[in-house]
Amino acid sequence: QKEVEQNSGPLSVPEGAIASLNCTYSDRGSQSFFWYRQYSGKSPELIMFIYSNGDKEDGRFTAQLNKASQYVSLLIRDSQPSDSATYLCAVSRGSSASKIIFGSGTRLSIRP
Amino acid sequence: NAGVTQTPKFQVLKTGQSMTLQCAQDMNHNSMYWYRQDPGMGLRLIYYSASEGTTDKGEVPNGYNVSRLNKREFSLRLESAAPSQTSVYFCASTGLYRGEPLHFGNGTRLTVT
Repeated sequence: QKEVEQNSGPLSVPEGAIASLNCTYSDRGSQSFFWYRQYSGKSPELIMFIYSNGDKEDGRFTAQLNKASQYVSLLIRDSQPSDSATYLCAVSRGSSASKIIFGSGTRLSIRP
Repeated sequence: NAGVTQTPKFQVLKTGQSMTLQCAQDMNHNSMYWYRQDPGMGLRLIYYSASEGTTDKGEVPNGYNVSRLNKREFSLRLESAAPSQTSVYFCASTGLYRGEPLHFGNGTRLTVT
């Protein structure tokens, strides 16, 4: 079992709709949780991070964390074609939270 | 600021050859990482260095060695390349302050024939 699991997709969402991306993790000692976006042929870039249970909103993006269920999600409201990319969930754990593990990513496609 | 600089950008090796991927950051970060990315596999952690003087194995360390030369530089060595090591390699760094992201290099595309 991978430490961080994501559905690989592709997830197809109509423009203007809400895209919902999910991630589960196996280590209860995990401390911080990140969502990265990666366009084809490019390096990943940070979308959001969260470390406390509950919701965190930033513009069109909302991250949700439930440590009891070991589950973190990312909602993208008013989806745009430019949101089409692979979304990577990452989890930090270990001493100093220095070990950072990624899931396999979910490919998101926004259809006009 | 250059951020995280990886060299080379592209490399083709024959099976059994060795090479070193270089990574340097100018952000005074304590922690540095090497990941590989294969199609559909996300990023897999090879090795990381939480601070200068320390290195630890990640998820897929076999066939690789690393050196944290100083605070700025973290190199990845393939002693005897195998076709299974064909991949895109990313170096990253972070200061590990809460919420600080990983800063990635532009990647090295390695092909082993």
